[in-house]
Amino acid sequence: AQTVTQSQPEMSVQEAETVTLSCTYDTSESDYYLFWYKQPPSRQMILVIRQEAYKQQNATENRFSVNFQKAAKSFSLKISDSQLGDAAMYFCAYRSAENRGGSEKLVFGKGTKLTVNP
Amino acid sequence: KAGVTQTPRYLIKTRGQQVTLSCSPISGHRSVSWYQQTPGQGLQFLFEYFSETQRNKGNFPGRFSGRQFSNSRSEMNVSTLELGDSALYLCASSLGHPGETQYFGPGTRLLVL
Repeated sequence: AQTVTQSQPEMSVQEAETVTLSCTYDTSESDYYLFWYKQPPSRQMILVIRQEAYKQQNATENRFSVNFQKAAKSFSLKISDSQLGDAAMYFCAYRSAENRGGSEKLVFGKGTKLTVNP
Repeated sequence: KAGVTQTPRYLIKTRGQQVTLSCSPISGHRSVSWYQQTPGQGLQFLFEYFSETQRNKGNFPGRFSGRQFSNSRSEMNVSTLELGDSALYLCASSLGHPGETQYFGPGTRLLVL
């Protein structure tokens, strides 16, 4: 079974600074997807960024980028120019691409609570 | 497009009762997944439905069940509630193709007394 580990329960960053959230995963599969989701306090979970394992290029979405190291099974999220609105729980998630029957099952890490200080 | 909606948003039940939660996916989405979120266990996958068929199931007791209707709306049912079932229940919808983004609803917060 796949597992996802987020080793930083909490992180803090100054507004306008850069922060990196860590995520490692364990799998024997070669084809999969990785995601970072953001869950603001009392608000809906939204997708921040996604990475397809067979693509070597790291995904970027505006101020958000990932460092995907497939051999090391590492998938960190970098947030540049942090804003107050970035304060949230961030979850790293894994989805297999090898289930031929299809399945949307996401395996989540425990999350990292990010605080942005003004 | 309207997002994923879940009803009710809050529920208080007592042990032994049963509860039904509802999820309406984004229009055109055929896959609906359910997750339980608790402070201790984090986010855990309950099950996924695609075109009215359960496609995958997590490691939860048989008291947790679900179904999907022809319009893709989904319900989950928990029978004989236990205190440990208190959680935020999230549903997520997607087109159902590999790697497609899942869009989450606001959740139903269930408190079992």
